[in-house]
Amino acid sequence: EVQLVESGGRLIQPGGSLRLSCAASGFAFDDYAMHWVRQAPGRGLEWVAGITWNSGTIAYAASVQGRFIISRDNAKNSLYLQMNRLRTEDTAFYYCLRTLSWTSYYDNWGQGTLVTVSS
Amino acid sequence: DVHMTQSPTSLSASVGDRVSITCRASQGILNYLAWYQQQPGKLPKLLIYGASTLQSGVPSRFSGSGSGTDFTLTISSLQPEDVGTYYCQRYSAAPPTFGPGTKVEIK
Repeated sequence: EVQLVESGGRLIQPGGSLRLSCAASGFAFDDYAMHWVRQAPGRGLEWVAGITWNSGTIAYAASVQGRFIISRDNAKNSLYLQMNRLRTEDTAFYYCLRTLSWTSYYDNWGQGTLVTVSS
Repeated sequence: DVHMTQSPTSLSASVGDRVSITCRASQGILNYLAWYQQQPGKLPKLLIYGASTLQSGVPSRFSGSGSGTDFTLTISSLQPEDVGTYYCQRYSAAPPTFGPGTKVEIK
């Protein structure tokens, strides 16, 4: 069974930093590109960042470019999102998702982890 | 970036009604379009990919059509458990983008 378990979300002040993690299991992690998608409470879905299987291609949404860093450790079947200079508008549930190709649809959603940026 | 729009923003229909939601891309995306359902308080769930391919386990009352810039999600007979918000997503190129969502309620 495919499992994607996000962690690391919490309440943090504006300007702070946070590192999210995603533990993957039930599939060949290094066969897949991985992505972070977020959803602010009561709002729609926004793709945040993506990374190919070998970290050869990395991309970010304009809203987080220069502040967030996506990375992965295939030996640990793990995906990370380093979030710096956090803003109140970064408040959201963050989901880690997999795709077989660089851009594709998302067939398995974890429970997500909530990041709340507030003073 | 390719911009996605959806219409209507919300709709209210009776159980058993046929319901359609439209998604439009600002540029042609062939059939690289997916539809998701998000029931209240739950995670998004993939319904359709490739514009018209039903994900395994999804009831057959859901169908998708379209290609290029205009797409439609149809629920042939609305059921109470279909209440929620529906999102389209294009994945023709990076970055993938989602539509703003259509909220479906029971009248």
